[in-house]
Amino acid sequence: AQSVTQPDIHITVSEGASLELRCNYSYGATPYLFWYVQSPGQGLQLLLKYFSGDTLVQGIKGFEAEFKRSQSSFNLRKPSVHWSDAAEYFCAVDPLTLGRLYFGRGTQLTVWP
Amino acid sequence: GAGVSQSPSNKVTEKGKDVELRCDPISGHTALYWYRQRLGQGLEFLIYFQGNSAPDKSGLPSDRFSAERTGESVSTLTIQRTQQEDSAVYLCASSSRGSGGASTDTQYFGPGTRLTVL
Repeated sequence: AQSVTQPDIHITVSEGASLELRCNYSYGATPYLFWYVQSPGQGLQLLLKYFSGDTLVQGIKGFEAEFKRSQSSFNLRKPSVHWSDAAEYFCAVDPLTLGRLYFGRGTQLTVWP
Repeated sequence: GAGVSQSPSNKVTEKGKDVELRCDPISGHTALYWYRQRLGQGLEFLIYFQGNSAPDKSGLPSDRFSAERTGESVSTLTIQRTQQEDSAVYLCASSSRGSGGASTDTQYFGPGTRLTVL
């Protein structure tokens, strides 16, 4: 079945530590890929997106993600986490032209001071 | 407006009642999407409007769910005879996606309506 998998439901890191959130997808073609962040009481905000070209994508708030076709992965990274990064992170895919996004279940990030 | 707005922000209803949820997309955005987010889960696609084309209703979970959109503006999601399993946050998004072809346009999300069915 086609799906988006975020294997980590909850991750805890210390402020200043590096972060990697995992995302795998199972669609035949290379879909468009997105990472969104959802803070408490707020709507989803787009962090970054990949359509084609350079497989390392830079986003807002110091985040980046790398598309690896061989692994069907699109992992989100940040070299140094800030306390304000505590939120829920969603990976999403658009399997080309469908006009809808398929979301993973999300990863809740807790940041220790 | 500056962003996607949704109303009400919270709705509590009794099982069996009908509810209407409203979405005001970003002005000029031709595409509008509804998603549902159940507790502890990711977003599920419900329905998609693109301009004057027939909506993509493939994500609606049952015939109790329906949605309308007036031109390229406001959309209303209606849930009839609500059930407890309908309790969720309902999110609306809009984008400037053109008709036909692959989309590279970002979807901008509203804050959602939290629906609780007692």
